[in-house]
Amino acid sequence: NAGVTQTPKFRVLKTGQSMTLLCAQDMNHEYMYWYRQDPGMGLRLIHYSVGEGTTAKGEVPDGYNVSRLKKQNFLLGLESAAPSQTSVYFCASSQSGSTDTQYFGPGTRLTVL
Amino acid sequence: GNSVTQMEGPVTLSEEAFLTINCTYTATGYPSLFWYVQYPGEGLQLLLKATKADDKGSNKGFEATYRKETTSFHLEKGSVQVSDSAVYFCARRDSSYKLIFGSGTRLLVRP
Repeated sequence: NAGVTQTPKFRVLKTGQSMTLLCAQDMNHEYMYWYRQDPGMGLRLIHYSVGEGTTAKGEVPDGYNVSRLKKQNFLLGLESAAPSQTSVYFCASSQSGSTDTQYFGPGTRLTVL
Repeated sequence: GNSVTQMEGPVTLSEEAFLTINCTYTATGYPSLFWYVQYPGEGLQLLLKATKADDKGSNKGFEATYRKETTSFHLEKGSVQVSDSAVYFCARRDSSYKLIFGSGTRLLVRP
């Protein structure tokens, strides 16, 4: 039982390049989330999903797209990376949305030059 | 608005000192409240939570009590250890199921 895993762990992009971050969970959770963490700002929700085939915008969705084609995977895409997207990205999952705990992955550190 | 406010860090303590990290929130109603901890190089882990007023969450010697009168959820530990050095995040559930995080408080415990 690996919990929540993220791929890759580190990545450096040039402005304008695209990439996809992969999140996978093996806990059969319904809900999945993508956050970004920036110094002094805590974690901010980018997009989330309440089930396979569904996605919704969070607090800071601009410049990102997501897909949830399979229940266990939640992909975060950057179509044209910008330096403002330099951050640490965390994926999380939870069984439901009420009081359930969110379980976090180890993070992906992305630098956009 | 709806937000979570934590005391700014870093907080530097000697081993076995008493710890308090303040957290206050604004919200409509009585949301579930959480403390998450992030050790260096790792993701966030749930430390404790409280789902209704006057509940006390506790784990690994840490405690926090849900105070609706003061809209607070302060984190305390009676005797910190070097291994407690980490960043601590207070969070609350919003009206649906998303988490709203505070900005985090870095704790450094010296031997």
